[in-house]
Amino acid sequence: NAGVMQNPRHLVRRRGQEARLRCSPMKGHSHVYWYRQLPEEGLKFMVYLQKENIIDESGMPKERFSAEFPKEGPSILRIQQVVRGDSAAYFCASSPQRGREQYFGPGTRLTVT
Amino acid sequence: QQQVKQSPQSLIVQKGGIPIINCAYENTAFDYFPWYQQFPGKGPALLIAIRPDVSEKKEGRFTISFNKSAKQFSLHIMDSQPGDSATYFCAASRGQGGKLIFGQGTELSVKP
Repeated sequence: NAGVMQNPRHLVRRRGQEARLRCSPMKGHSHVYWYRQLPEEGLKFMVYLQKENIIDESGMPKERFSAEFPKEGPSILRIQQVVRGDSAAYFCASSPQRGREQYFGPGTRLTVT
Repeated sequence: QQQVKQSPQSLIVQKGGIPIINCAYENTAFDYFPWYQQFPGKGPALLIAIRPDVSEKKEGRFTISFNKSAKQFSLHIMDSQPGDSATYFCAASRGQGGKLIFGQGTELSVKP
């Protein structure tokens, strides 16, 4: 049973470009969470999605960030017009149901130059 | 009230020692408390988790102690090994809400 998959593992973008991060949850998991880890800091919740629905986006910056989890395919975290402060590791976690254990992927390390 | 405070920030022990990492929370609505282990360049891996209806849980060399009245919980690693050197994060969530609130992390180094 494959774990949570994220791609790309490393992403370099110039200021002003768009970044798209993808997350495929574990088989049988329909709940996806995105977290951001800034250098030397802990993990911060961004958004919680279930298939085709955003359940909780209280941790998402109001501008430039969006997330989706379509009926088919991976969950996507999209960052428009990236700035240097967006440089971080972005982790996706999946869960079989709400309130259960969350299993993390290997992360995407975004560098904005 | 959404914070989880973790200490110490870093910890060095000798092989065979018992490192203890502590966490405290304010929100009494939290009802799920997991611990994660993270190696450099990797994603966090779930180690062990506890719910507030028990005061202690053991899995292998890892033990969580939970004090509901003090709103504190801790991780003990028995017979620590150099391979346990990693960053450890405590977290908390409300069962229905799902999102994890993480502590700041503890960087553990186990010396041979």
